[in-house]
Amino acid sequence: SQTIHQWPATLVQPVGSPLSLECTVEGTSNPNLYWYRQAAGRGLQLLFYSVGIGQISSEVPQNLSASRPQDRQFILSSKKLLLSDSGFYLCAWSGTGTISYEQYFGPGTRLTVT
Amino acid sequence: QQPVQSPQAVILREGEDAVINCSSSKALYSVHWYRQKHGEAPVFLMILLKGGEQKGHDKISASFNEKKQQSSLYLTASQLSYSGTYFCGTYRGSTLGRLYFGRGTQLTVWP
Repeated sequence: SQTIHQWPATLVQPVGSPLSLECTVEGTSNPNLYWYRQAAGRGLQLLFYSVGIGQISSEVPQNLSASRPQDRQFILSSKKLLLSDSGFYLCAWSGTGTISYEQYFGPGTRLTVT
Repeated sequence: QQPVQSPQAVILREGEDAVINCSSSKALYSVHWYRQKHGEAPVFLMILLKGGEQKGHDKISASFNEKKQQSSLYLTASQLSYSGTYFCGTYRGSTLGRLYFGRGTQLTVWP
């Protein structure tokens, strides 16, 4: 069965510090991968998605970036965090070669920028 | 491009029914439903495909009207465990796997 991991689970970082969040998927190959951000009490904002290694599409211009160095690894980064970067960061995957594309979410990382 | 969900919030007693609606201004290929409990990640509930049948499991079911680009989620005889925020995600069949999520409907079930 497929499993998706995210770490760390929680993170408190000062403004201006760098960020690296990691997401890995097990039990599937060549998944589509997604990074979402959810502000407190709000909906899901798609940040990046990837259909393959090195293929990243950005949805929202911001000071975040994403990379996919391996098939089942997706990394979210920032060089300098802003207060507005606080939120719940969710990684998700969906299968390829399917018509349905249902997404399965990881447990999330709760980021607080102070 | 974001679908519109209604209502924004619902408060129910255990055993009551609820309907959550999701509508889009764009033609849809599929509609996905997710439930998120407080502090947790969203969990996939079901998918409605264009041309497919109405789906459901246990006392939660959903329908998809392709012509109106609308979907409805039906929760019958609500249980305490149904509490959470429900999101619909719409897929237009263009960008592979890209879903557009609604703002969510907060459902609270009281004993």
